[in-house]
Amino acid sequence: GQQVMQIPQYQHVQEGEDFTTYCNSSTTLSNIQWYKQRPGGHPVFLIQLVKSGEVKKQKRLTFQFGEAKKNSSLHITATQTTDVGTYFCAGKISNQFYFGTGTSLTVIP
Amino acid sequence: GAGVSQSPRYKVTKRGQDVALRCDPISGHVSLYWYRQALGQGPEFLTYFNYEAQQDKSGLPNDRFSAERPEGSISTLTIQRTEQRDSAMYRCASSLGRPNTGELFFGEGSRLTVL
Repeated sequence: GQQVMQIPQYQHVQEGEDFTTYCNSSTTLSNIQWYKQRPGGHPVFLIQLVKSGEVKKQKRLTFQFGEAKKNSSLHITATQTTDVGTYFCAGKISNQFYFGTGTSLTVIP
Repeated sequence: GAGVSQSPRYKVTKRGQDVALRCDPISGHVSLYWYRQALGQGPEFLTYFNYEAQQDKSGLPNDRFSAERPEGSISTLTIQRTEQRDSAMYRCASSLGRPNTGELFFGEGSRLTVL
């Protein structure tokens, strides 16, 4: 069964608004990665979080790893049209990466 | 090439035929993963290798699916007696294999359609 869940499944925002996607696992994760997949493309690595409570920033993107290492979030500040795509988390369990269901982001100009 | 290469990019086959999907990982990458991705879904783990050793095949749906990586580089995913439900995008990814640098590099995928 699905080990890593993501919400929401879809998100439409006006350009300039913020966006957040959440990832939850029923199992403690060794680490968590985030990927972005553009329409028609393949997943591209964004970042990896390893430590409990870790927070990392990449320009307008903020990534958090929960204290219990069972949840994570990706927050985008002031979205741009270039942010369009599906964002996946991938939790590492027993040396395998289990991908979440993804959040598809649409940015309305 | 510099990236992960998969072939064929598209494969249309009739139900009951066998198919072989190939993955050529980034040179020097230790780990190789196979995923299956349905439209609108996240990649679903199938199996992975470290060098030539298959470490985990628990994600393979049934015994019609098999994978090998005989020389620790190129890998082949084989589906025997294909069924319509096997239709999907099959993605290969490779990584350096070091514990804290687990970034997965994905190929463009092989889209399989079973008629």
